Amino acid sequence: AQRVTQPEKLLSVFKGAPVELKCNYSYSGSPELFWYVQYSRQRLQLLLRHISRESIKGFTADLNKGETSFHLKKPFAQEEDSAMYYCALSGLSGGSNYKLTFGKGTLLTVNP
Amino acid sequence: ETGVTQSPTHLIKTRGQQVTLRCSSQSGHNTVSWYQQALGQGPQFIFQYYREEENGRGNFPPRFSGLQFPNYSSELNVNALELDDSALYLCASNFPGHGELFFGEGSRLTVL
Repeated sequence: AQRVTQPEKLLSVFKGAPVELKCNYSYSGSPELFWYVQYSRQRLQLLLRHISRESIKGFTADLNKGETSFHLKKPFAQEEDSAMYYCALSGLSGGSNYKLTFGKGTLLTVNP
Repeated sequence: ETGVTQSPTHLIKTRGQQVTLRCSSQSGHNTVSWYQQALGQGPQFIFQYYREEENGRGNFPPRFSGLQFPNYSSELNVNALELDDSALYLCASNFPGHGELFFGEGSRLTVL
């Protein structure tokens, strides 16, 4: 069985402060991990995926297989980062396609 | 390029009724997935369709069924509605083998 845990429902930081959204996973195979984000009144969208190893909007996330974690980090939070963040893990659904298991999400609020 | 569109945006049904939700995939995407998002939870995978065939299913009973049409649009049908079926239903499309899902804005179902 695969599982994604986001221990914090709410996270509040001040503008310019570092931010870390935690994600731990459980998966028996080799996982592919994602962070999805939902800004206010917008649809859910991909923020980043571990295999691309990119920094998107200043966010990075490193897959730590030893700790089964995929924490999302940003050194200096901005007010526009306020959103709901979901960590997700892919499994193969039958054929060769992606079925995502999502965590419950963390609501990030960046205060001015 | 048009994004994923869903209809209706909101609907109210009573227990025992049946509902059909519709989704148009993003242009060029031939894989569509449906997710249920209960209040305060992350999206939960219902099933996926690829080339008009079911291509994986989550832990949902058979009264949840779907269709995909030759133009890659899709329907989610739920029979014998229960109160716990009240949720936001999200449709997502992607290219096969690509992990980035493109989500619609969802259909919010309330069962009374």
